[in-house]
Amino acid sequence: DTGVSQNPRHKITKRGQNVTFRCDPISEHNRLYWYRQTLGQGPEFLTYFQNEAQLEKSRLLSDRFSAERPKGSFSTLEIQRTEQGDSAMYLCASSFLAGDTDEQYFGPGTRLTVT
Amino acid sequence: AQSVTQLDSHVSVSEGTPVLLRCNYSSSYSPSLFWYVQHPNKGLQLLLKYTSAATLVKGINGFEAEFKKSETSFHLTKPSAHMSDAAEYFCVVSPSGTYKYIFGTGTRLKVLA
Repeated sequence: DTGVSQNPRHKITKRGQNVTFRCDPISEHNRLYWYRQTLGQGPEFLTYFQNEAQLEKSRLLSDRFSAERPKGSFSTLEIQRTEQGDSAMYLCASSFLAGDTDEQYFGPGTRLTVT
Repeated sequence: AQSVTQLDSHVSVSEGTPVLLRCNYSSSYSPSLFWYVQHPNKGLQLLLKYTSAATLVKGINGFEAEFKKSETSFHLTKPSAHMSDAAEYFCVVSPSGTYKYIFGTGTRLKVLA
């Protein structure tokens, strides 16, 4: 399967613990995005990478959140000192800009439950 | 500011009848518009996209959407619903020249046998 993959698919953690999620984009895609989706809502943009450079972070991303994309390949999203409000589905997407359209391909997501 | 409104949070149709999922957008310039579908435990899948070419866009699985600038709408339609169409559908606007995706809140489609 050459789509976007995310690991783990599910994560249950206790409040105050740190968690890290991984995203492997489609190999030729230079753009990578993280989104958060809560129940009954559409995905909300968190952050964007072009190659290894993090070019934008949403105000939703508090200082407990950090994302990296070393060498412009896979990406990790870390949440420190998790809170119950962090419980959500975390989605990764990747794209390769062609013309004026950026078509994003999404992974299956990592569902985080903070108890 | 750019935004997208999906007018119905839930839509129920009988199998074999037409589907209409409504979407209105707000954008300063000509945006790109997308419809994505999300099946349970599956990733978001692109159904179709509008990028300032033909206003009637055909997508996968028999879906199509019409871009109406005067009405700022991008409604999704399908002539005949199938049981496998039951899923959550998201309308997305991406302002011209940006990578940003702005999602609607979604419409859950239920297909009755």
